[in-house]
Amino acid sequence: GQNIDQPTEMTATEGAIVQINCTYQTSGFNGLFWYQQHAGEAPTFLSYNVLDGLEEKGRFSSFLSRSKGYSYLLLKELQMKDSASYLCAVSAWNRDDKIIFGKGTRLHILP
Amino acid sequence: EAGVTQFPSHSVIEKGQTVTLRCDPISGHDNLYWYRRVMGKEIKFLLHFVKESKQDESGMPNNRFLAERTGGTYSTLKVQPAELEDSGVYFCASSPRLAGEDGSTGELFFGEGSRLTVL
Repeated sequence: GQNIDQPTEMTATEGAIVQINCTYQTSGFNGLFWYQQHAGEAPTFLSYNVLDGLEEKGRFSSFLSRSKGYSYLLLKELQMKDSASYLCAVSAWNRDDKIIFGKGTRLHILP
Repeated sequence: EAGVTQFPSHSVIEKGQTVTLRCDPISGHDNLYWYRRVMGKEIKFLLHFVKESKQDESGMPNNRFLAERTGGTYSTLKVQPAELEDSGVYFCASSPRLAGEDGSTGELFFGEGSRLTVL
């Protein structure tokens, strides 16, 4: 089956940088997603990595190492509105490409 | 463009009753997914439609759950009879293509969820 691990909670300070790690175990890997979910709202797409390396998109960057089964989401210049849950999710081609989610990391931003 | 809409946003029912949740995906999205989040746990896959066909229903908990997508547009998820452990937030998501198809990321567009409370 698939197994996705990420820290349950993290705390960081406004203006700082935070890195949220995700490790996964799956066969037929077909991509890794990061989603952001504010309390009571729909998860929204942040990034997608299918090849090794770093994808940068504004203040957010996502990194993937397929050989290590490892990804991280890097958030720079943290703002209060970044307080949310960050969900790591993996797609596997041999499982009909369904996207499996980790439990999410709840990020608290302190002023 | 309208996003994924779900109805109702919140439903409170008693054990043994029936509830039907509805999802309207983004127009033109062939792929429709149902997920569920039970408190404290991960968002868990339930099933995946491609148009009106069930592509994968391996995540459906048991035969008390029935999902349909007649005509390949909106979908319903019926729970009958509801049990206490069915409480949670049911998310619907849609996507135009799977990851890798025509260079697509396979990004899912989520609705805001239907919160089900079974008493």
